[in-house]
Formats: sequence, C-alpha cells, structure tokens
Amino acid sequence: NAGVTQTPKFQVLKTGQSMTLQCAQDMNHNSMYWYRQDPGMGLRLIYYSASEGTTDKGEVPNGYNVSRLNKREFSLRLESAAPSQTSVYFCASSDGDGISGANVLTFGAGSRLTVL
Amino acid sequence: QQQVKQSPQSLIVQKGGISIINCAYENTAFDYFPWYQQFPGKGPALLIAIRPDVSEKKEGRFTISFNKSAKQFSLHIMDSQPGDSATYFCAAKSGGYQKVTFGTGTKLQVIP
Repeated sequence: NAGVTQTPKFQVLKTGQSMTLQCAQDMNHNSMYWYRQDPGMGLRLIYYSASEGTTDKGEVPNGYNVSRLNKREFSLRLESAAPSQTSVYFCASSDGDGISGANVLTFGAGSRLTVL
Repeated sequence: QQQVKQSPQSLIVQKGGISIINCAYENTAFDYFPWYQQFPGKGPALLIAIRPDVSEKKEGRFTISFNKSAKQFSLHIMDSQPGDSATYFCAAKSGGYQKVTFGTGTKLQVIP
C-alpha cells in the first residue's frame, strides 16, 4: 500500500546543476501535482497534470519543467538549480474529475532539496 | 497574489481548549474547501472538507464553519489534544479545474 512515492528524500546541489525529482503513484489516479513548501509561504503549486498527456503551470513554474511519463509517474526537473529553489518538494495525486466536487490530494513524504 | 488567506500563522492552545483557524478567499468559482493536517517530516493529509452549499460540517472534534456571503471559512478543533499539534492548511479548488490552492498554514501547538 505505497500510495505516492517520491525520490530522492534528500538532495544537495550546487548552483547551476540539474536534477530530476521522481514521483510515482499506485492508486490509478488521473491527476498529479508538484508543490513546494517554504516557511511562511505554505504550499505553492509548481505544475500539475490533470490527466495523462497534459500538464499545466501552477503559481510558481519558473525554473522547473515536468513530464507526465505515464499515468503513474510525474517527474519534476530543475535544469539549472538556484539557491531560491531550496525547498521541500511534495508530489501529490488525486482522482477528482475536475468538473465539480471533491478533489482529495494524497501526498508523498516530500523531497528536501538544498541548493548551495 | 495569495488567493486563500489564512490566519493566524501560529497558535498555542491549552489541552482541552478550542483551536480556531480562519481562512478567507476572493474567487467565487471555488467549489470545494478542504483542510489538511501535516505532522513534522510528513506530507499533508486530508482532515475534513466542505462544499459551499453547506454552512457547517462536523467530524468528531473537528468542525468547518463556512460563510459564503463573507467568503470565509474556519476550522474549529474542540477539546484540543497534544496529538493535534501539527501544521494545518486550508485550501480551495476551482470548479472545472483540478488545481488546488493552499493557504500559508497555521502551526498549532497544544500544551498539556
């Protein structure tokens, strides 16, 4: 009963390096999300994918790219990391239909990224 | 622009007391308002949620009060316990979209 699995859990990068955060869900959910959590800022949406084959920008997409590889997997890539991208990143998934009604997000345990 | 404003940022409550966290929104297209609870080192998890056609929803010690005309909603935790110590986020979803917008969070500490 894994739910949402994120890797890696911790990562330290130097400015300018690139890396990819991986996320996989085993609940057959249609929608997947990437959020970042910073003190005093709450959870801010970076990108989301309402269904396989689609991706959309959230509140803070600059400096990030995403790939919805298949229904299970949604990756977040930092092409040239900056200190401002030091944060805790959360992947989430949901089975909401997006038309109306509930949209319950199931979150992973988070990935703590430090950019020096 | 913060679409969902949450207060207070932190809250200390005595065991057995009532914890109250408030949120306000501007977008009248929001059609679903969940609250998430996050323990240190963990991801947030859904606690309770409400739709705008209902003024109150209660689940155990947790109650959401919703005021559609004022565009405000709040979480009340009755008989607060030390195990309730966590960060609480209000959130909102727009009808027709999958995007969920979160408030800035409230760190609750319940002291014995």
